[in-house]
Amino acid sequence: AQTVTQSQPEMSVQEAETVTLSCTYDTSESNYYLFWYKQPPSRQMILVIRQEAYKQQNATENRFSVNFQKAAKSFSLKISDSQLGDTAMYFCAFMKYRGGNTPLVFGKGTRLSVIA
Amino acid sequence: IAGITQAPTSQILAAGRRMTLRCTQDMRHNAMYWYRQDLGLGLRLIHYSNTAGTTGKGEVPDGYSVSRANTDDFPLTLASAVPSQTSVYFCASSVGTSGTTRTDTQYFGPGTRLTVL
Repeated sequence: AQTVTQSQPEMSVQEAETVTLSCTYDTSESNYYLFWYKQPPSRQMILVIRQEAYKQQNATENRFSVNFQKAAKSFSLKISDSQLGDTAMYFCAFMKYRGGNTPLVFGKGTRLSVIA
Repeated sequence: IAGITQAPTSQILAAGRRMTLRCTQDMRHNAMYWYRQDLGLGLRLIHYSNTAGTTGKGEVPDGYSVSRANTDDFPLTLASAVPSQTSVYFCASSVGTSGTTRTDTQYFGPGTRLTVL
């Protein structure tokens, strides 16, 4: 079974600064996907970024980027130029690669507070 | 296009009562999922369906049942609610496999907050 570990229950960052959220996972699969989801106080789950394990290049979406280390099974999220609207719970998630879709396995989350 | 809708938004329920949480998507996605979110535990999979007419058990299926009579709807039923089922419930969907294309991104509904007393 796959497991996802987020070792930082809470973090804070000053507005406009950079912050990195950690995620490690355990799997025997060679092909899989990794995701970061954001959950603001509205409760909505919002996809932030995704990474295919077969791609060596780290995914980037505007101010959000990942550091994907496949051998170390590490998938950290970097948020640059932090904004007040980035305040949210962040979940790292894993998905096995199969012919059809497979469910997500989530970490327990990191609560990020951006301070003005 | 609404995406995924869930009803009710929130509910307080007496223990022992039966409850169905509704989930509807208008994106013609093949796969649908139910997760529960508990403080400090993240989201855990309850049941899933890869296509209409099929369902499967997730990590925490006990006390829950699902059906998938058509592509759009995926209701979750608690036959006899217990306080440990107090949680926020999320429905999600994804395209799944369509022809030779496989996509993976899951889209989430707004959630249902359920309190069982």
